[in-house]
Amino acid sequence: EVQLVQSGGGLVRPGGSLRLSCAASGFTFSDYAMSWVRQAPGKGLEWVSSISGTGGSTYYADSVKGRFTISRDMSKHTLFLQMNSLRAGDTAVYYCASQCSGGTCYSTFEHWGRGTLVTVSS
Amino acid sequence: DVVMTQSPLSLPVTLGQPASISCRSSQSLVYSDGTTYLSWFQQRPGQSPRRLIYKVSNRDSGVPDRFSGSGSGTDFTLKISRVEAEDVGFYYCMQGTQWPLTFGGGTKVEIK
Repeated sequence: EVQLVQSGGGLVRPGGSLRLSCAASGFTFSDYAMSWVRQAPGKGLEWVSSISGTGGSTYYADSVKGRFTISRDMSKHTLFLQMNSLRAGDTAVYYCASQCSGGTCYSTFEHWGRGTLVTVSS
Repeated sequence: DVVMTQSPLSLPVTLGQPASISCRSSQSLVYSDGTTYLSWFQQRPGQSPRRLIYKVSNRDSGVPDRFSGSGSGTDFTLKISRVEAEDVGFYYCMQGTQWPLTFGGGTKVEIK
């Protein structure tokens, strides 16, 4: 059974930093690109960032480029999102998601974590 | 960016009746390999999104066969043949053909 167990998140002040983690199990981690998708309170889904199966390629939404960094630890089967210079507009539930088999397949989101709330407020 | 437009925003449905959600993209979703990367997701109240359909019409394992996807190019539809109480929630289309990956704004399905 595929599991994506998320941790991190919480309350942070504007300009602060936070790191999210997502521990994966139940599938061959290196075979799947991984992503972060967020959902602001009462709003729809927004793709944030993706990383290839090997970690060699990364992609970011313009709204987070230069502030967020996606990475993965292949030995620990864990995905990370380092979030710096946080703004009120980054307040959202952040979901990690596996994409599609093939390492460089980004065309969909097959499995989702339960989400973790990030609140940016003074 | 590819803009995904869903309609209606809200869909009140009688139990046992059919429902249909439209999703239109601002550009063709046919990729250079000939595949159309359009997915549908369901988000029940208080839950994470769950994929229902990928590549326009392929149903995920465990998804009831009352859900079906169709369409081509820029015009897509998710149909529920007979709505059940567990189908209440939001439904999102999503394109995976071009960066950035983009979602529709969502359609809220509720019981009349």
